[in-house]
Amino acid sequence: SAVISQKPSRDICQRGTSLTIQCQVDSQVTMMFWYRQQPGQSLTLIATANQGSEATYESGFVIDKFPISRPNLTFSTLTVSNMSPEDSSIYLCSVESDPWTQYFGPGTRLLVL
Amino acid sequence: QQQVKQSPQSLIVQKGGISIINCAYENTAFDYFPWYQQFPGKGPALLIAIRPDVSEKKEGRFTISFNKSAKQFSLHIMDSQPGDSATYFCAASLSGTYKYIFGTGTRLKVLA
Repeated sequence: SAVISQKPSRDICQRGTSLTIQCQVDSQVTMMFWYRQQPGQSLTLIATANQGSEATYESGFVIDKFPISRPNLTFSTLTVSNMSPEDSSIYLCSVESDPWTQYFGPGTRLLVL
Repeated sequence: QQQVKQSPQSLIVQKGGISIINCAYENTAFDYFPWYQQFPGKGPALLIAIRPDVSEKKEGRFTISFNKSAKQFSLHIMDSQPGDSATYFCAASLSGTYKYIFGTGTRLKVLA
């Protein structure tokens, strides 16, 4: 398994601004993932982040809106850019530390006014 | 074809009863099926997972039943407890990738 922390745990932001979310894992992992979970909804994969390469984005998500960094094997950031109220969600990072198995962080709760 | 359909949306069970949550998929390329438990304000936590080469997997009070021909799998929570009250998500993983497709979630409430 893996222990994952995220910062901030929650934030309230004004529209038009950007927020960078940090994800730290307690062991080196190859695969890191970013998900969005809208209130009361399921999880939707935003992108997959591998160290040393560009993130791979899912349909409906673009790099300009959700730039991702993956500087090393234990850390990643997701930026939500030019925010609107529709970006209000829980943002979750996950890692694959055992074959086929993803472990999730506690999430970042974002409210955009 | 990439969807995982989950039912029911919500479930109320008496303490000591059996909770059953069902999921169905279309894509036969899926070959890993985990279940996650999520408490309010927390991230999803892996509960139990199964591969399609077995029909059942049990861990404590939690059992996954898998029907490959019907493309269905279900989670059974035996002797349900109020502490089991949470949202449960099934998921399916695409063969050869690390992507999870999640079901829509089931809110379980176990009455004391």
